[in-house]
Amino acid sequence: AQSVTQLDSHVSVSEGTPVLLRCNYSSSYSPSLFWYVQHPNKGLQLLLKYTSAATLVKGINGFEAEFKKSETSFHLTKPSAHMSDAAEYFCVPLGDGQNFVFGPGTRLSVLP
Amino acid sequence: KAGVTQTPRYLIKTRGQQVTLSCSPISGHRSVSWYQQTPGQGLQFLFEYFSETQRNKGNFPGRFSGRQFSNSRSEMNVSTLELGDSALYLCASSPLAGQDTQYFGPGTRLTVL
Repeated sequence: AQSVTQLDSHVSVSEGTPVLLRCNYSSSYSPSLFWYVQHPNKGLQLLLKYTSAATLVKGINGFEAEFKKSETSFHLTKPSAHMSDAAEYFCVPLGDGQNFVFGPGTRLSVLP
Repeated sequence: KAGVTQTPRYLIKTRGQQVTLSCSPISGHRSVSWYQQTPGQGLQFLFEYFSETQRNKGNFPGRFSGRQFSNSRSEMNVSTLELGDSALYLCASSPLAGQDTQYFGPGTRLTVL
């Protein structure tokens, strides 16, 4: 069965510094992988998705993620954090039975 | 295109009552999925509907049910509400079922007193 581990429950960065949110998935085959962001009291917004076309995936708002099969990782990065990036981030593999399996999420805080 | 809309946005009910939540998908999307989000359990999959048929169901009791209409709009119903049903209920739509990007609505915040 598909599962995901988001290695940090909370990440805190200063504005203007790089962001790294870590995600490892467990699967015997290359899955579809998504990163979603949820701002307070809002629904989820798609940041980017990997579907085997390219290992480096660029998303919205300057975010990107690299799929590394050998490490079963799909870490999310951004070169320079902005205050508006403060939110909850979810790494999501497409699970068995083809329904989304959400991880626990990583809360990103951006300090001024 | 308009996004996924959910009504109502906020709801307060008492234990034992039932509730119906509504979701209108993005125009042209035929798949609708429902999720429950709570601080303790996170985001959990409830069920998915495609072309008026339930494709997948998560691990929730039978008090949780849903349906989809011919225009792809979906409703979910929770009967005999319990305090633990207090949550944000999110609806997501996608053009097709299965391996496809899901687009989420703003959610319905249900509080059970």
